[in-house]
Amino acid sequence: TQLLEQSPQFLSIQEGENLTVYCNSSSVFSSLQWYRQEPGEGPVLLVTVVTGGEVKKLKRLTFQFGDARKDSSLHITAAQPGDTGLYLCAGEGSGYALNFGKGTSLLVTP
Amino acid sequence: KAGVTQTPRYLIKTRGQQVTLSCSPISGHRSVSWYQQTPGQGLQFLFEYFSETQRNKGNFPGRFSGRQFSNSRSEMNVSTLELGDSALYLCASKVGSLNTEAFFGQGTRLTVV
Repeated sequence: TQLLEQSPQFLSIQEGENLTVYCNSSSVFSSLQWYRQEPGEGPVLLVTVVTGGEVKKLKRLTFQFGDARKDSSLHITAAQPGDTGLYLCAGEGSGYALNFGKGTSLLVTP
Repeated sequence: KAGVTQTPRYLIKTRGQQVTLSCSPISGHRSVSWYQQTPGQGLQFLFEYFSETQRNKGNFPGRFSGRQFSNSRSEMNVSTLELGDSALYLCASKVGSLNTEAFFGQGTRLTVV
């Protein structure tokens, strides 16, 4: 099983601060995805990164895929309370399954 | 375009009972996967169906089973429920098995008492 480790596990910040969360593995992935999950809801796909070194921006969110395709980071600029949620990274495991990290729980307070 | 629909949203069952959860994927999506989410273990893969065939199964006991119908709708069944089966059960649909981008339903919150 290709394990994905996410850090930090929990993060509590004030509105307007910047933050970075990480997703690391010892395995190489053909692609990695980031999802955000709000309480009581299913995960919602934010982005898929495919090429080593790739950087994708989604408004205030910047996603980077490591050169070796073993890790990824998510940077949020000027966090807002609406960014609160569980951020999950996922990579393709064996036989079409997605392997998920345990997530970073982010709380942004006004 | 309607999203992934899971029913019911909430369920309370007693130990030893069985339960059936339902998932309707996005129209045109032929792959349906099921995941169990708990605070301690995170999201864990249960199984995936494509064109009515189970393509892959995670490391769960045989009490967990599923099926997919010709219209791509899927059901999962858990028999002889245990307290540890309490979890959020999530269904995800994809266009095809080889696609990695999954679209999740809101989940079914199962509580076993």
